[in-house]
Amino acid sequence: DAKTTQPTSMDCAEGRAANLPCNHSTISGNEYVYWYRQIHSQGPQYIIHGLKNNETNEMASLIITEDRKSSTLILPHATLRDTAVYYCIVREYNTDKLIFGTGTRLQVFP
Amino acid sequence: DTGVSQNPRHKITKRGQNVTFRCDPISEHNRLYWYRQTLGQGPEFLTYFQNEAQLEKSRLLSDRFSAERPKGSFSTLEIQRTEQGDSAMYLCASVLSPKNGGYTFGSGTRLTVV
Repeated sequence: DAKTTQPTSMDCAEGRAANLPCNHSTISGNEYVYWYRQIHSQGPQYIIHGLKNNETNEMASLIITEDRKSSTLILPHATLRDTAVYYCIVREYNTDKLIFGTGTRLQVFP
Repeated sequence: DTGVSQNPRHKITKRGQNVTFRCDPISEHNRLYWYRQTLGQGPEFLTYFQNEAQLEKSRLLSDRFSAERPKGSFSTLEIQRTEQGDSAMYLCASVLSPKNGGYTFGSGTRLTVV
Protein backbone atom coordinates (compact mmCIF):
# COMPACT_ATOMS: atom_id res chain seq x y z
CA ASP A 1 0.00 0.00 0.00
CA ALA A 2 1.17 3.52 -0.82
CA LYS A 3 2.73 5.43 2.03
CA THR A 4 2.44 8.86 0.41
CA THR A 5 -0.35 11.23 -0.54
CA GLN A 6 -0.04 13.99 -3.11
CA PRO A 7 -2.38 16.44 -4.81
CA THR A 8 -3.75 15.03 -8.02
CA SER A 9 -2.71 17.97 -10.17
CA MET A 10 -0.97 21.35 -10.08
CA ASP A 11 -0.23 24.17 -12.50
CA CYS A 12 2.86 26.34 -12.69
CA ALA A 13 3.86 29.26 -14.93
CA GLU A 14 7.00 28.81 -16.97
CA GLY A 15 10.01 30.35 -15.22
CA ARG A 16 8.42 30.23 -11.80
CA ALA A 17 9.26 27.80 -9.02
CA ALA A 18 7.12 24.68 -8.81
CA ASN A 19 6.55 23.46 -5.26
CA LEU A 20 5.13 19.95 -5.08
CA PRO A 21 3.98 18.79 -1.62
CA CYS A 22 3.85 15.26 -0.28
CA ASN A 23 2.56 13.74 2.95
CA HIS A 24 4.19 10.61 4.36
CA SER A 25 3.01 10.64 7.95
CA THR A 26 3.56 6.88 8.49
CA ILE A 27 7.16 6.86 7.28
CA SER A 28 9.61 4.95 9.49
CA GLY A 29 12.76 6.56 10.81
CA ASN A 30 15.06 4.74 8.40
CA GLU A 31 12.94 4.99 5.25
CA TYR A 32 14.08 7.36 2.53
CA VAL A 33 11.90 9.69 0.48
CA TYR A 34 12.44 9.56 -3.28
CA TRP A 35 11.04 11.70 -6.07
CA TYR A 36 10.65 10.51 -9.64
CA ARG A 37 8.86 11.95 -12.63
CA GLN A 38 7.28 10.27 -15.59
CA ILE A 39 6.60 11.74 -18.97
CA HIS A 40 3.94 10.00 -21.01
CA SER A 41 4.95 6.56 -22.28
CA GLN A 42 8.41 6.69 -20.71
CA GLY A 43 9.85 5.02 -17.63
CA PRO A 44 10.10 6.99 -14.38
CA GLN A 45 13.11 9.31 -14.16
CA TYR A 46 15.01 9.77 -10.91
CA ILE A 47 15.04 13.31 -9.50
CA ILE A 48 16.30 13.31 -5.93
CA HIS A 49 16.13 11.48 -2.62
CA GLY A 50 16.76 12.16 1.06
CA LEU A 51 16.39 10.87 4.60
CA LYS A 52 16.05 13.87 6.89
CA ASN A 53 18.32 16.62 5.63
CA ASN A 54 17.39 18.95 2.82
CA GLU A 55 18.97 17.95 -0.48
CA THR A 56 19.75 19.82 -3.69
CA ASN A 57 21.03 18.70 -7.06
CA GLU A 58 21.06 20.09 -10.58
CA MET A 59 17.41 19.23 -11.11
CA ALA A 60 15.65 20.12 -7.89
CA SER A 61 15.65 20.67 -4.14
CA LEU A 62 14.03 18.44 -1.55
CA ILE A 63 12.82 19.94 1.71
CA ILE A 64 11.88 17.44 4.43
CA THR A 65 10.13 18.65 7.57
CA GLU A 66 11.82 18.04 10.89
CA ASP A 67 9.22 15.47 11.93
CA ARG A 68 9.66 13.78 8.49
CA LYS A 69 5.91 13.59 8.00
CA SER A 70 5.96 15.65 4.84
CA SER A 71 8.27 16.96 2.16
CA THR A 72 8.30 19.39 -0.76
CA LEU A 73 10.00 19.02 -4.11
CA ILE A 74 11.06 22.36 -5.58
CA LEU A 75 11.80 22.87 -9.26
CA PRO A 76 13.38 26.33 -9.13
CA HIS A 77 12.63 27.54 -12.67
CA ALA A 78 10.00 25.38 -14.29
CA THR A 79 10.09 24.90 -18.06
CA LEU A 80 7.53 23.42 -20.42
CA ARG A 81 9.60 20.24 -20.49
CA ASP A 82 8.96 19.78 -16.76
CA THR A 83 5.32 18.93 -17.51
CA ALA A 84 5.00 15.37 -16.17
CA VAL A 85 3.59 13.22 -13.38
CA TYR A 86 5.71 13.57 -10.25
CA TYR A 87 5.82 10.71 -7.78
CA CYS A 88 6.75 11.02 -4.12
CA ILE A 89 7.94 7.60 -3.00
CA VAL A 90 9.00 5.86 0.20
CA ARG A 91 11.78 3.32 -0.05
CA GLU A 92 10.76 0.43 2.17
CA TYR A 93 13.42 -0.29 4.75
CA ASN A 94 13.76 -4.06 4.73
CA THR A 95 13.36 -4.69 0.99
CA ASP A 96 14.53 -1.39 -0.51
CA LYS A 97 11.60 -1.49 -2.90
CA LEU A 98 10.06 1.79 -3.98
CA ILE A 99 6.41 2.19 -3.00
CA PHE A 100 4.72 4.53 -5.47
CA GLY A 101 1.57 6.55 -4.88
CA THR A 102 -0.64 8.01 -7.57
CA GLY A 103 1.51 11.09 -8.17
CA THR A 104 0.88 14.76 -9.02
CA ARG A 105 0.31 15.77 -12.61
CA LEU A 106 2.24 19.04 -13.04
CA GLN A 107 1.27 21.22 -15.98
CA VAL A 108 3.70 24.03 -16.80
CA PHE A 109 2.09 26.73 -18.95
CA PRO A 110 3.71 29.55 -20.99
CA ASP B 1 26.24 3.36 -18.85
CA THR B 2 23.77 2.41 -21.52
CA GLY B 3 20.77 2.49 -19.19
CA VAL B 4 18.17 -0.19 -18.57
CA SER B 5 16.92 -1.80 -21.76
CA GLN B 6 13.54 -3.51 -22.10
CA ASN B 7 12.30 -5.54 -25.01
CA PRO B 8 9.97 -5.55 -26.73
CA ARG B 9 8.62 -2.02 -26.32
CA HIS B 10 5.15 -3.10 -27.34
CA LYS B 11 3.44 -6.48 -27.41
CA ILE B 12 -0.05 -7.30 -28.59
CA THR B 13 -1.22 -10.82 -27.86
CA LYS B 14 -4.40 -12.82 -27.92
CA ARG B 15 -5.97 -13.88 -24.67
CA GLY B 16 -4.65 -17.26 -23.56
CA GLN B 17 -1.25 -16.88 -25.20
CA ASN B 18 2.04 -16.81 -23.30
CA VAL B 19 4.33 -13.79 -23.45
CA THR B 20 7.87 -13.14 -22.25
CA PHE B 21 9.55 -9.80 -21.63
CA ARG B 22 13.24 -9.14 -21.21
CA CYS B 23 15.09 -6.60 -19.09
CA ASP B 24 18.79 -5.85 -19.42
CA PRO B 25 19.90 -3.85 -16.38
CA ILE B 26 22.93 -1.61 -16.07
CA SER B 27 25.78 -4.10 -16.09
CA GLU B 28 27.13 -3.86 -12.55
CA HIS B 29 23.75 -3.40 -10.84
CA ASN B 30 22.97 -6.13 -8.32
CA ARG B 31 19.35 -5.37 -7.65
CA LEU B 32 16.63 -5.68 -10.29
CA TYR B 33 12.95 -4.84 -9.76
CA TRP B 34 9.84 -5.48 -11.85
CA TYR B 35 6.80 -3.20 -11.66
CA ARG B 36 3.44 -3.08 -13.40
CA GLN B 37 1.65 0.16 -14.25
CA THR B 38 -1.92 0.51 -15.40
CA LEU B 39 -3.40 3.65 -16.91
CA GLY B 40 -3.55 6.56 -14.48
CA GLN B 41 -1.88 4.67 -11.66
CA GLY B 42 1.62 4.65 -10.21
CA PRO B 43 3.84 1.63 -10.76
CA GLU B 44 3.08 -1.37 -8.52
CA PHE B 45 5.83 -3.64 -7.26
CA LEU B 46 5.84 -7.19 -8.63
CA THR B 47 9.13 -8.84 -7.67
CA TYR B 48 12.83 -8.23 -7.21
CA PHE B 49 16.19 -9.95 -7.46
CA GLN B 50 19.48 -9.62 -5.64
CA ASN B 51 21.87 -10.99 -8.25
CA GLU B 52 20.20 -14.26 -9.35
CA ALA B 53 18.13 -14.75 -6.20
CA GLN B 54 14.46 -13.79 -6.32
CA LEU B 55 13.83 -12.33 -2.87
CA GLU B 56 10.19 -11.28 -2.88
CA LYS B 57 7.07 -11.69 -4.97
CA SER B 58 4.04 -9.46 -4.61
CA ARG B 59 0.60 -10.97 -4.11
CA LEU B 60 -0.17 -9.31 -7.46
CA LEU B 61 2.05 -11.95 -9.06
CA SER B 62 -0.31 -14.87 -9.59
CA ASP B 63 0.96 -18.35 -10.46
CA ARG B 64 0.64 -17.41 -14.14
CA PHE B 65 3.58 -15.06 -13.70
CA SER B 66 7.18 -16.17 -13.38
CA ALA B 67 10.41 -14.22 -13.37
CA GLU B 68 14.01 -15.31 -13.64
CA ARG B 69 17.41 -13.71 -13.57
CA PRO B 70 19.91 -16.37 -14.63
CA LYS B 71 23.51 -15.63 -13.67
CA GLY B 72 22.43 -12.35 -12.16
CA SER B 73 22.45 -10.52 -15.47
CA PHE B 74 19.35 -9.97 -17.62
CA SER B 75 15.90 -10.89 -16.33
CA THR B 76 12.78 -12.27 -17.96
CA LEU B 77 9.16 -11.95 -16.93
CA GLU B 78 6.78 -14.53 -18.39
CA ILE B 79 3.00 -14.42 -18.27
CA GLN B 80 1.20 -17.64 -19.12
CA ARG B 81 -2.39 -17.84 -20.36
CA THR B 82 -2.70 -14.07 -20.62
CA GLU B 83 -5.93 -12.35 -19.60
CA GLN B 84 -7.26 -8.94 -20.60
CA GLY B 85 -6.53 -7.72 -17.07
CA ASP B 86 -2.84 -8.30 -17.71
CA SER B 87 -2.82 -5.36 -20.13
CA ALA B 88 -0.42 -2.84 -18.63
CA MET B 89 3.05 -1.32 -18.86
CA TYR B 90 5.68 -3.61 -17.35
CA LEU B 91 8.66 -1.69 -16.01
CA CYS B 92 12.09 -2.89 -14.95
CA ALA B 93 14.48 -0.99 -12.69
CA SER B 94 18.00 -1.68 -11.50
CA VAL B 95 20.28 -0.24 -8.85
CA LEU B 96 23.83 -0.97 -7.75
CA SER B 97 23.16 -0.38 -4.11
CA PRO B 98 19.90 1.10 -2.83
CA LYS B 99 21.82 2.94 -0.14
CA ASN B 100 23.77 4.95 -2.68
CA GLY B 101 21.38 6.48 -5.11
CA GLY B 102 18.59 6.41 -7.60
CA TYR B 103 17.09 3.41 -9.28
CA THR B 104 17.25 3.49 -13.07
CA PHE B 105 14.07 2.49 -14.87
CA GLY B 106 13.73 1.19 -18.39
CA SER B 107 11.17 2.53 -20.85
CA GLY B 108 8.92 -0.43 -20.21
CA THR B 109 7.06 -3.01 -22.27
CA ARG B 110 3.45 -2.15 -23.03
CA LEU B 111 1.33 -5.29 -23.17
CA THR B 112 -2.10 -5.31 -24.81
CA VAL B 113 -4.17 -8.48 -24.50
CA VAL B 114 -6.99 -8.69 -27.03
